[in-house]
Amino acid sequence: AQRVTQPEKLLSVFKGAPVELKCNYSYSGSPELFWYVQYSRQRLQLLLRHISRESIKGFTADLNKGETSFHLKKPFAQEEDSAMYYCALKFGYNFNKFYFGSGTKLNVKP
Amino acid sequence: GAGVSQSPRYKVAKRGQDVALRCDPISGHVSLFWYQQALGQGPEFLTYFQNEAQLDKSGLPSDRFFAERPEGSVSTLKIQRTQQEDSAVYLCASSLRDRGEYSNQPQHFGDGTRLSIL
Repeated sequence: AQRVTQPEKLLSVFKGAPVELKCNYSYSGSPELFWYVQYSRQRLQLLLRHISRESIKGFTADLNKGETSFHLKKPFAQEEDSAMYYCALKFGYNFNKFYFGSGTKLNVKP
Repeated sequence: GAGVSQSPRYKVAKRGQDVALRCDPISGHVSLFWYQQALGQGPEFLTYFQNEAQLDKSGLPSDRFFAERPEGSVSTLKIQRTQQEDSAVYLCASSLRDRGEYSNQPQHFGDGTRLSIL
């Protein structure tokens, strides 16, 4: 079965510290992976997608097919990064389904 | 409009009542998705429309759940004979196009409807 796992429900770091939010997926084919973010009192929004190989707000994520991971990283966390982060897997020949992980709450302390 | 609009924002109903949740996608977006998000969980896929056609409803938890998009724009998610386990945030998302294996359009989400069943 297709599955997305975010092992940490809560991650607390100090401002300026590196951040890594873990995401592992289970899928045998070629998935499309995304990170979505939800800031307090805002709607869920796309942060980045692996196919674009982009860096958004200092965040990057590399797809590692060998480890089936798509961890989100930022070298220096900022307080405004505090939010819920969801890893999402869009896959299959029928490209109309997203599977979301259960989310990681990132808390960046001053 | 500027984004996906959902109404109502909050809905409280007694167990056994029917409810209807509305989603107004971004103008011109072909694809529309409904998700259910229970407390402390990520969104879970319910159903998908491409224009007015409901191409996938495999995520609907029971036959009490019904979704429609008759003119390929506004969509309604209806839940009949609500149960307490239906309490959740219901999210709607739309994307410009989502067809074939070459599409990678991101989904744009609404604020959701928080449904509470007493």
